[in-house]
Amino acid sequence: DAGVTQSPTHLIKTRGQQVTLRCSPKSGHDTVSWYQQALGQGPQFIFQYYEEEERQRGNFPDRFSGHQFPNYSSELNVNALLLGDSALYLCASYFSGGYNEQFFGPGTRLTVL
Amino acid sequence: GQSLEQPSEVTAVEGAIVQINCTYQTSGFYGLSWYQQHDGGAPTFLSYNALDGLEETGRFSSFLSRSDSYGYLLLQELQMKDSASYFCATGGFKTIFGAGTRLFVKA
Repeated sequence: DAGVTQSPTHLIKTRGQQVTLRCSPKSGHDTVSWYQQALGQGPQFIFQYYEEEERQRGNFPDRFSGHQFPNYSSELNVNALLLGDSALYLCASYFSGGYNEQFFGPGTRLTVL
Repeated sequence: GQSLEQPSEVTAVEGAIVQINCTYQTSGFYGLSWYQQHDGGAPTFLSYNALDGLEETGRFSSFLSRSDSYGYLLLQELQMKDSASYFCATGGFKTIFGAGTRLFVKA
């Protein structure tokens, strides 16, 4: 079992560009959440996808959007990048019948210049 | 809204016991979880308390008091590898994390 995987590992973009991050959940998991983690801070909830729908959303602008595919993998898209979007983006998955334990991927380190 | 408060740093010596506290304010309570994150790594799940009381998993234990909106993570027989950040978290579909407690274990 590969666990949760994310790609790419690192990414450098310039202000105003758009980025797409990808996540494959752990085998058997059907729910994917995305988090933004700034250095020295806790993960901040962006949104969660279940059954290909956005089920819950945190306090992030509409520039942040996502998608879940029939195989439960997910994408996070960020448009019109700002310097403040530089962070570690984490994907976490779990099985909808047991939400108390989330499995995190290694994250994508996004740097916006 | 929801918020969780935990100390920013704790230092302890190898072999000792350390307690990391967490107080929370939530509009609805879905239990308290604890995660460990080493520098450069992903958060990993440690424990979950849905009900009041103590949950023990090896050297780690977690306690919850819903009436006090308070919980703690207890780490026993500290090892150097326990140096990491520890996060308490709560929420149902929308998980809210505390800012984290950085634990330094000294020889």
